[in-house]
Amino acid sequence: KQEVTQIPAALSVPEGENLVLNCSFTDSAIYNLQWFRQDPGKGLTSLLLIQSSQREQTSGRLNASLDKSSGRSTLYIAASQPGDSATYLCAVVSGGSYIPTFGRGTSLIVHP
Amino acid sequence: DAGVTQSPTHLIKTRGQQVTLRCSPKSGHDTVSWYQQALGQGPQFIFQYYEEEERQRGNFPDRFSGHQFPNYSSELNVNALLLGDSALYLCASSLLRGADIQYFGAGTRLSVL
Repeated sequence: KQEVTQIPAALSVPEGENLVLNCSFTDSAIYNLQWFRQDPGKGLTSLLLIQSSQREQTSGRLNASLDKSSGRSTLYIAASQPGDSATYLCAVVSGGSYIPTFGRGTSLIVHP
Repeated sequence: DAGVTQSPTHLIKTRGQQVTLRCSPKSGHDTVSWYQQALGQGPQFIFQYYEEEERQRGNFPDRFSGHQFPNYSSELNVNALLLGDSALYLCASSLLRGADIQYFGAGTRLSVL
């Protein structure tokens, strides 16, 4: 059974800092991994999707990397802004079953 | 182009009742997945519909059932509601049976009293 862990659970930083959010998974036989953002009480917004054959994806100030062999993905946020405050979730789609497993998320607060 | 839409936004039910939640996928998407998100937790996969059939199912009891219509919209039905069913229910649509990017709706907040 796939298990996904996100560290840290919460993070509070001043504006302008570069951040790294971590996602680890137990079964390396994955199909893809997706990072999402969730604002309080809202649905999820897709940030980046990394296929199992890829090592990283970039979108603006966001960069996500994937290391299947070690069961890890990181989301790098450059020059953080107060508008980045949200919960960040990673979801791993397991190969074969194609069932996605989510972590519990990292709650991020960026202070002005 | 409308994204994923869900209705209703909020719902209050009592134990033992039945509820139906609705989802319209993003235009052009043929796959709909449903998730349950308890407070402070990540979403839990309930099931996925493609070509009007349930294709994948997570670890949820048979009280949870669904349907997909020819226009790809979907319903989630929950029978014999329990207090523990209180959660945010999220619908996501995608192409390629979930292998591509998933787009989520804003969710339906269900409270069971």
